[in-house]
Amino acid sequence: DAGITQSPRHKVTETGTPVTLRCHQTENHRYMYWYRQDPGHGLRLIHYSYGVKDTDKGEVSDGYSVSRSKTEDFLLTLESATSSQTSVYFCAISVDRGNTEAFFGQGTRLTVV
Amino acid sequence: GENVEQHPSTLSVQEGDSAVIKCTYSDSASNYFPWYKQELGKRPQLIIDIRSNVGEKKDQRIAVTLNKTAKHFSLHITETQPEDSAVYFCAASTDTPKLTFGTGTRLQVTL
Repeated sequence: DAGITQSPRHKVTETGTPVTLRCHQTENHRYMYWYRQDPGHGLRLIHYSYGVKDTDKGEVSDGYSVSRSKTEDFLLTLESATSSQTSVYFCAISVDRGNTEAFFGQGTRLTVV
Repeated sequence: GENVEQHPSTLSVQEGDSAVIKCTYSDSASNYFPWYKQELGKRPQLIIDIRSNVGEKKDQRIAVTLNKTAKHFSLHITETQPEDSAVYFCAASTDTPKLTFGTGTRLQVTL
């Protein structure tokens, strides 16, 4: 498996609180992604990064922000968590753009109560 | 943006039979079409992919076909085994970092 680690693996938080999920890679891949997975929706892209301090929005970016201060770390922040953000979050990495294999982390199950 | 539709949402086959999952895409500029398998509680993992300059690709019991004119691609699994039971996702991408996934097909292989 590619060296990609997500933390925490599980989290329960209250509505309105900020939450930060971390993705750490040891592969030195340029591209990093955050997806959310919900029943009936598959995997939807939240944000992605194409280098240190270089990020862009995906299809479901509202309510989320990201930061990448080092090649190996990509943080996803829910600025004020809502129940609709209860989901499983996957980080992924790839050597090149979307037309190369993406390696996924183990996922983070987030519950907003 | 790109839209990927995937059918069926669930598929049950007997061990040894074949399974076919179909996807359509909307963006004619898409040129990369991967398939991911996700076992229960695990991460998605790439099982096969195809690029727009190829019509078919095989890897042992799995194959993918691409029809660019109709904008659809399919995953074929032959001689299914219980370990093939999982959720399968198709996806499509252009030369951008954005990979658009289908909604998934839950495949159950029964003995």
